[in-house]
Amino acid sequence: LAKTTQPISMDSYEGQEVNITCSHNNIATNDYITWYQQFPSQGPRFIIQGYKTKVTNEVASLFIPADRKSSTLSLPRVSLSDTAVYYCLVEGIGTGGGNKLTFGTGTQLKVEL
Amino acid sequence: DAGITQSPRYKITETGRQVTLMCHQTWSHSYMFWYRQDLGHGLRLIYYSAAADITDKGEVPDGYVVSRSKTENFPLTLESATRSQTSVYFCASRSGTSGGYEQYFGPGTRLTVT
Repeated sequence: LAKTTQPISMDSYEGQEVNITCSHNNIATNDYITWYQQFPSQGPRFIIQGYKTKVTNEVASLFIPADRKSSTLSLPRVSLSDTAVYYCLVEGIGTGGGNKLTFGTGTQLKVEL
Repeated sequence: DAGITQSPRYKITETGRQVTLMCHQTWSHSYMFWYRQDLGHGLRLIYYSAAADITDKGEVPDGYVVSRSKTENFPLTLESATRSQTSVYFCASRSGTSGGYEQYFGPGTRLTVT
């Protein structure tokens, strides 16, 4: 299983860019990297997914270096509503051996005024 | 209702009792998953299913049983509940086809074993 490591917590202020890095040294060739956001008393919600290089959508960017042993979620101009726990997931996509999923312990992001 | 639902949302049971948590999705997603979430451990995979009648163990399967006779349902049974199984349980589903592999999570079931 690809074990992931993230910072336990991060603090930021409204309007700033936040970068959260996840380490996944044992990532396999077929694994994708997915980030989820979770608010209290809710299930996680998909933010972004990538395989290599850079992916951008309307809410975030995901940077993955060539060796794919880490990834960085970038949240531009955060607001108070971005206060949540962010999880990095290394997800094996494929058939045969099944899908082995390893969530990190999550990063608690706190955004203040 | 469209989406993924879990029932019950809250459950209190006694040690040794059998309890079943239900999960239902309306998308016909091929993959379904059960996670438990405990403080300090994040989300840990209990079991998953790639299709009806196909299930496999995750990281923490001991003490749990799953079945999947229909694509839309994936119940999780605790055969003899223990206090260590007190947790929040999340069900998720995912399309197995190309074009995106994001998981959609249910609202969770908070289970307390006394």
